[in-house]
Amino acid sequence: GAVVSQHPSWVICKSGTSVKIECRSLDFQATTMFWYRQFPKQSLMLMATSNEGSKATYEQGVEKDKFLINHASLTLSTLTVTSAHPEDSSFYICSARESPEVGEQYFGPGTRLTVT
Amino acid sequence: GQNIDQPTEMTATEGAIVQINCTYQTSGFNGLFWYQQHAGEAPTFLSYNVLDGLEEKGRFSSFLSRSKGYSYLLLKELQMKDSASYLCAGVDSNYQLIWGAGTKLIIKP
Repeated sequence: GAVVSQHPSWVICKSGTSVKIECRSLDFQATTMFWYRQFPKQSLMLMATSNEGSKATYEQGVEKDKFLINHASLTLSTLTVTSAHPEDSSFYICSARESPEVGEQYFGPGTRLTVT
Repeated sequence: GQNIDQPTEMTATEGAIVQINCTYQTSGFNGLFWYQQHAGEAPTFLSYNVLDGLEEKGRFSSFLSRSKGYSYLLLKELQMKDSASYLCAGVDSNYQLIWGAGTKLIIKP
């Protein structure tokens, strides 16, 4: 089956610093990648959708200057949380899809970010 | 607006059967997904329905009625490891997933 990896799996950083999270599709080419955030005991919240080679589409309320997304290749997307604050502490999950249209989203294992 | 409704929490007994319902309202419809998510982990795919009817896959089955905007996930022969959240997600006309809040399933011995 299709595999999506994320790195790191967990990270602790100090307030004001930036953190980069990588999402890779290991055995398929992902035309579309999605970034989600999930707070404890809450559902997934879509942050942005990115298509390879184009700018990401951010959901309402998500600051694009704070959450920088780059989808430079068909197998790699990165999310950089800039000037992190404690309220950014969350579980960040990426998913990838081969087709830009309907199809299963394959999820990465998630990255737990703690900002102190 | 677009909306996915599913119960917040359900409890069932090991070995029994449980049905988790999901109703949806989406702008256009291109199918419905069910995902399983254990605490602290990412969701894993269970099923995708785009046509009416029941699809069976081992102990898990998923049903869709497009005319009623309704789906359910049926879990048979429940095992303790089935304790998890079950997420229903509808696909709208732009092929975006609209996620439900998830149903936390608690299995008791």
